[in-house]
Amino acid sequence: ETGVTQTPRHLVMGMTNKKSLKCEQHLGHNAMYWYKQSAKKPLELMFVYSLEERVENNSVPSRFSPECPNSSHLFLHLHTLQPEDSALYLCASSQERTVTNYGYTFGSGTRLTVV
Amino acid sequence: DAKTTQPPSMDCAEGRAANLPCNHSTISGNEYVYWYRQIHSQGPQYIIHGLKNNETNEMASLIITEDRKSSTLILPHATLRDTAVYYCIVRVVGGYSGGGADGLTFGKGTHLIIQP
Repeated sequence: ETGVTQTPRHLVMGMTNKKSLKCEQHLGHNAMYWYKQSAKKPLELMFVYSLEERVENNSVPSRFSPECPNSSHLFLHLHTLQPEDSALYLCASSQERTVTNYGYTFGSGTRLTVV
Repeated sequence: DAKTTQPPSMDCAEGRAANLPCNHSTISGNEYVYWYRQIHSQGPQYIIHGLKNNETNEMASLIITEDRKSSTLILPHATLRDTAVYYCIVRVVGGYSGGGADGLTFGKGTHLIIQP
């Protein structure tokens, strides 16, 4: 356990479904992130939340909708996805705006398959 | 954040030291060097970071050249469980580049394969 918990671990959904990915961190961090990792590609940053406010959105399609209700929880709402959205979705957290930063802590990811 | 260059893959014998190089010739004075690794289908794991002095923890050692243009991650006694993709990243501590948090940018990293 890393202190960042993602659920579900695996998800299969149809292109017309609506589903949500959940991330919870127990580290007291003040920033959370969503990354996407497609097969044999580098991790792609999707969204950044700092102090519960979205500070970065890397041109992600609107079928992905993030939500950060408090500093410990992060959601990624999915609707009308395409097969090319199948990937490993990773959540991470960090303590930002500090003199010493010990890096990001990642969850184990949700393996998403769109059929 | 400055760009880094790493070899795409490396082999190392089990029990030997694994030395992973990283070039970051455009690094700025306030940027730290971070190393992460990703074991297949898991989330990346933080290993170590440093500014200009060499650093050591229970996982690895980080050697940064005096001009800070390159660094080497050393796994002193590699095991089969160290087989993973290793990422070298440079960034400003605390995400202060824009006043708030900014995401880490991952490249392709080095695929380290430990041979039995």
